[in-house]
Amino acid sequence: EADIYQTPRYLVIGTGKKITLECSQTMGHDKMYWYQQDPGMELHLIHYSYGVNSTEKGDLSSESTVSRIRTEHFPLTLESARPSHTSQYLCASRITGDTEAFFGQGTRLTVV
Amino acid sequence: GQQLNQSPQSMFIQEGEDVSMNCTSSSIFNTWLWYKQDPGEGPVLLIALYKAGELTSNGRLTAQFGITRKDSFLNISASIPSDVGIYFCAGQKGGTSYGKLTFGQGTILTVHP
Repeated sequence: EADIYQTPRYLVIGTGKKITLECSQTMGHDKMYWYQQDPGMELHLIHYSYGVNSTEKGDLSSESTVSRIRTEHFPLTLESARPSHTSQYLCASRITGDTEAFFGQGTRLTVV
Repeated sequence: GQQLNQSPQSMFIQEGEDVSMNCTSSSIFNTWLWYKQDPGEGPVLLIALYKAGELTSNGRLTAQFGITRKDSFLNISASIPSDVGIYFCAGQKGGTSYGKLTFGQGTILTVHP
């Protein structure tokens, strides 16, 4: 079973608020990822990190930002939430040399 | 950007029937993966394929890595109600891709008892 955790599971927040979605893994994985998924649709990579202090933009442009100060922690921040940010955000991690990426349960974000 | 075209988009089948879904791409991938996502959960890896032409089974699941490295299929035999969910193919390039995955649009599977 994967040891990767996302909080909160669900978040409803007003427009203009700053939010941080948490993602933590206890497997010592060096690579971590954030994907965005609309209901019933494919996952799109928005951020990834291949180690501490390394972050890169993914294939889908996003107004969110990420940080990787510790190996186990990869939070995603939206400075000013808007209704267009409503989506599910999935965090994943893997170890270099291993194919399998383990996913968290996701955060379903609704901006009203 | 890269796209994986997954079909069919949805399937409604009777329990006990076999299921087949596939994924095609205009670009080459070094690894093909099949994930299943249950409602409200993150995707879980079902099968990973590493070599062109490879055929791999995992219980009632069988998947193949296309010879051209641009396609893959997944078969589920003798479906059961717990097979319900969304199935995603994903491709991974090698080298400096840092393990990034490109996902297909998903196949929504409904199994009627």
